[in-house]
Amino acid sequence: GQQLNQSPQSMFIQEGEDVSMNCTSSSIFNTWLWYKQDPGEGPVLLIALYKAGELTSNGRLTAQFGITRKDSFLNISASIPSDVGIYFCAGQLRGGSNYKLTFGKGTLLTVNP
Amino acid sequence: NAGVMQNPRHLVRRRGQEARLRCSPMKGHSHVYWYRQLPEEGLKFMVYLQKENIIDESGMPKERFSAEFPKEGPSILRIQQVVRGDSAAYFCASSPITGPSYEQYFGPGTRLTVT
Repeated sequence: GQQLNQSPQSMFIQEGEDVSMNCTSSSIFNTWLWYKQDPGEGPVLLIALYKAGELTSNGRLTAQFGITRKDSFLNISASIPSDVGIYFCAGQLRGGSNYKLTFGKGTLLTVNP
Repeated sequence: NAGVMQNPRHLVRRRGQEARLRCSPMKGHSHVYWYRQLPEEGLKFMVYLQKENIIDESGMPKERFSAEFPKEGPSILRIQQVVRGDSAAYFCASSPITGPSYEQYFGPGTRLTVT
């Protein structure tokens, strides 16, 4: 089955710094999604990407859909304490009955004020 | 707009008992997905349902697990004769699958503990 490698596993940064994390896949996806999960809660959708090469922003977050369709990255600029949490990438093929999401193992972000 | 609702939020069962997890999708959504998350892991797909139909159950264990999404009422994930290895967080997501948007929106999860 498809596997997603997400890196880094964890990051410790100072408030105000920029952050970058990425996901790579052994096979292609047609959609990339980035989620954030706080302890004890469900994942919250941050950004969705639908086309190879697409670059999308949501406030201080920017994500790109890799041109090979096998990777994606997420950047967070000027981090703040509430950015703390686990960030997950997810890939989706879309089509027929195949709408399931394949998730990476997550990047744990800690922001020191 | 109410989000995806799941209940209970926490469920404790003894080995051998049954667990029933409920999910009400967002208003206007008719597609439901169940995922399982083990500690410090990503979410793993279990099953995808539309009203009265199972569309993709490729992630469901072959035994003891079943899911339904009836015409009326919430989607139910049922685990029979639970074992300690079933302890996990179970998340439900919903999507409209209309137009170009296929994003899945997640509920708060049910944390199942098997003692």
